[in-house]
Amino acid sequence: NAGVTQTPKFRILKIGQSMTLQCTQDMNHNYMYWYRQDPGMGLKLIYYSVGAGITDKGEVPNGYNVSRSTTEDFPLRLELAAPSQTSVYFCASSYQTSGTQETQYFGPGTRLLVL
Amino acid sequence: SQKIEQNSEALNIQEGKTATLTCNYTNYSPAYLQWYRQDPGRGPVFLLLIRENEKEKRKERLKVTFDTTLKQSLFHITASQPADSATYLCALASGGGGADGLTFGKGTHLIIQP
Repeated sequence: NAGVTQTPKFRILKIGQSMTLQCTQDMNHNYMYWYRQDPGMGLKLIYYSVGAGITDKGEVPNGYNVSRSTTEDFPLRLELAAPSQTSVYFCASSYQTSGTQETQYFGPGTRLLVL
Repeated sequence: SQKIEQNSEALNIQEGKTATLTCNYTNYSPAYLQWYRQDPGRGPVFLLLIRENEKEKRKERLKVTFDTTLKQSLFHITASQPADSATYLCALASGGGGADGLTFGKGTHLIIQP
């Protein structure tokens, strides 16, 4: 299994540009998450999904959108890039059943710089 | 508001000694607590999970304790090695099945010196 894969690894955007960060997992996990990590800070949850067709906002959703059309894919969309969105973005997945908290598996991250 | 605190400064430990990392939390009643390791330029990797009704969990050279009265978790690495040098993240989950993700601390940078 490749686990959780993310593309691209690094990207430079100009202010106002749009882009999609790709995330794919091959572990048949039902839950998927997007986090951002700023230097010296903890990971902040942007959006999460409990299954195909179901998404919900996390702690810092403004400026982002997501979709979950399949179990495997969970892309993150930035519509109008701003310097405040400069960060490292991590996608994660887990297999959860009712009342449990399972391990989250993280991708390698996408480093985004907005200038 | 909910807050998770980890040692903000780097922790320097001599090889072979036991490294102890602290995670304190406030305004939170986690059902689970997890520890992750993160190396530079990489995503976090899961190490250990401990539930609110467990006092201690062990895995090889790793040991985690969870004191819900003190609102604190301690993470120990015994017989530390330079390869253990990394940033260690504490993460809390509510009892809602984890649907709302994990809340992470900022992490403690551990340096094991030969």
